[in-house]
Amino acid sequence: GESVGLHLPTLSVQEGDNSIINCAYSNSASDYFIWYKQESGKGPQFIIDIRSNMDKRQGQRVTVLLNKTVKHLSLQIAATQPGDSAVYFCAENNGGGADGLTFGKGTHLIIQP
Amino acid sequence: DAGVIQSPRHEVTEMGQEVTLRCKPISGHNSLFWYRQTMMRGLELLIYFNNNVPIDDSGMPEDRFSAKMPNASFSTLKIQPSEPRDSAVYFCASSLGLFGGASDTQYFGPGTRLTVL
Repeated sequence: GESVGLHLPTLSVQEGDNSIINCAYSNSASDYFIWYKQESGKGPQFIIDIRSNMDKRQGQRVTVLLNKTVKHLSLQIAATQPGDSAVYFCAENNGGGADGLTFGKGTHLIIQP
Repeated sequence: DAGVIQSPRHEVTEMGQEVTLRCKPISGHNSLFWYRQTMMRGLELLIYFNNNVPIDDSGMPEDRFSAKMPNASFSTLKIQPSEPRDSAVYFCASSLGLFGGASDTQYFGPGTRLTVL
């Protein structure tokens, strides 16, 4: 029979363009958030994090924006490159208690030449 | 610096066999996590340890799954007996600790791709 799998959101951007990946988190007690990148055949790799006392944090070519009012997180990647093609996950820490991190389902970013 | 090390990278076994996956966390990290990733369910937390003690195993699917952490530098995830539906990629991750800002960041190993025939 037909298999039903996760239908990951897919974002396709032209090489050199900027990309924005969005994530809605669920736990209002979460005060720490992380973005991970997972390339095919590899484990998730830490990209950037942000605490809830900030609304923006910048890294190298990446920026994370946090809107606590609507529980929304975004990852902006500037001047995308072929190596940025991957699945991107957001994670929240559930208030830092004993529940560990909760991961989102992921967004598949495709960079077109 | 050595990251999280997992072995084997690939495992193919037959239904009913015992499977043992191994993980060496980053030196100095106090927390260790086992995840399973499938197309159907995404990334699922199975169990995690803090200072070698299991904190939460509510994600372990069945009694067929067990995990141990005999010391700070080694953990195993065992499936006995294995079933085809256990086929997935199993990741181990470690972090400095469960609480606080940067210490919550988890660093993942390369994963073990398990296929149960």
